[in-house]
Amino acid sequence: DGGITQSPKYLFRKEGQNVTLSCEQNLNHDAMYWYRQDPGQGLRLIYYSQIVNDFQKGDIAEGYSVSREKKESFPLTVTSAQKNPTAFYLCASSVGWGDTSQETQYFGPGTRLLVL
Amino acid sequence: QQQVKQSPQSLIVQKGGIPIINCAYENTAFDYFPWYQQFPGKGPALLIAIRPDVSEKKEGRFTISFNKSAKQFSLHIMDSQPGDSATYFCAASETPDKLIFGTGTRLQVFP
Repeated sequence: DGGITQSPKYLFRKEGQNVTLSCEQNLNHDAMYWYRQDPGQGLRLIYYSQIVNDFQKGDIAEGYSVSREKKESFPLTVTSAQKNPTAFYLCASSVGWGDTSQETQYFGPGTRLLVL
Repeated sequence: QQQVKQSPQSLIVQKGGIPIINCAYENTAFDYFPWYQQFPGKGPALLIAIRPDVSEKKEGRFTISFNKSAKQFSLHIMDSQPGDSATYFCAASETPDKLIFGTGTRLQVFP
């Protein structure tokens, strides 16, 4: 059963605490992405990774960090520097690029982060 | 700034109606225009996509119309069903690594 898994489904963060959201894919995709979704807004790109051990900032990277040590995993850490972390976080992956037929991004089920 | 403007924000139709969602873009270098469907609490799923070399694409009850000169594209849902009730996002990209999403349209189809 191939796809993208995200865990946990719900996550609660206390003030000043760092939390890490998990994203795993078994699609053998090279590219992975993290988006943030707020009510009434589109998806905004936080970070993306084209290949293992490499990643780039998206439009709203401040207060977030990522790592890409394995092809199938792209965890996102929401740091205490992110002052408004409450949102729905979506991980996605795609085959890669260099070929426009590989652009389709497949999304995981999301993690809802709430601040206590 | 690269943007994709989507309208309306919400849409209510009766079963069998044809909801139409519109998107407009500014960057003429965009060459890939997907539509995503998202149910509450779930991740978006690719519904249909189009490239600027065609003016229309159909997949089942879903049709994308594309107007390159006006820099607009739209999604039509034929014979809409209550199960189509979801949020729909248009998007556009110039490079495969960076989709620019619209703000979404919440569609409700009543029986």
